[in-house]
Amino acid sequence: GAVVSQHPSWVICKSGTSVKIECRSLDFQATTMFWYRQFPKQSLMLMATSNEGSKATYEQGVEKDKFLINHASLTLSTLTVTSAHPEDSSFYICSARTGHQETQYFGPGTRLLVL
Amino acid sequence: AQSVTQPDIHITVSEGASLELRCNYSYGATPYLFWYVQSPGQGLQLLLKYFSGDTLVQGIKGFEAEFKRSQSSFNLRKPSVHWSDAAEYFCAVMEGYSTLTFGKGTMLLVSP
Repeated sequence: GAVVSQHPSWVICKSGTSVKIECRSLDFQATTMFWYRQFPKQSLMLMATSNEGSKATYEQGVEKDKFLINHASLTLSTLTVTSAHPEDSSFYICSARTGHQETQYFGPGTRLLVL
Repeated sequence: AQSVTQPDIHITVSEGASLELRCNYSYGATPYLFWYVQSPGQGLQLLLKYFSGDTLVQGIKGFEAEFKRSQSSFNLRKPSVHWSDAAEYFCAVMEGYSTLTFGKGTMLLVSP
């Protein structure tokens, strides 16, 4: 149980285009989802927290207009990287938790390469 | 603000030898404590967690961790390492019901 999927697993796009990454909780209802960014050989950096049906809360320094997060249902959250640039290339990981449980379950990650 | 320190960037252990990965946290109260493992190019898998109660916690894949309040530590251990354990290990803490704070990770290398 507690499986989280991400799609796509990797994506290559041209600079200036937008990319959407999906995060799904497959066997539980995710009231809260989190989006992280991970640079090579570094730890995870929390980008934003989203609760189903409400606006995401972004961490300091994360551009909300560039990284659009939508959590429209209890099983799906999306991260859209708008007008992507090479510096946005990274590994993006989502996680989800349900109700008032403390444990987050992580997706497999999406590797984004912007050319 | 809470912080998590994993003092070892990487550790090399011989297959079959014992393993201990260190984790120290800085926080006023006892936070929720987690260990996650990440294989190359993959997401994070939860190994074990501590919320309260018995300070020795058993996890998956033969891992265990011990919470020591006096040392603000939550070290991860395994008595006999297998080559498949080679991965990056992250310690994380959570204050109450909020967000996770991760350590910088420890890369485990297993030598034959």
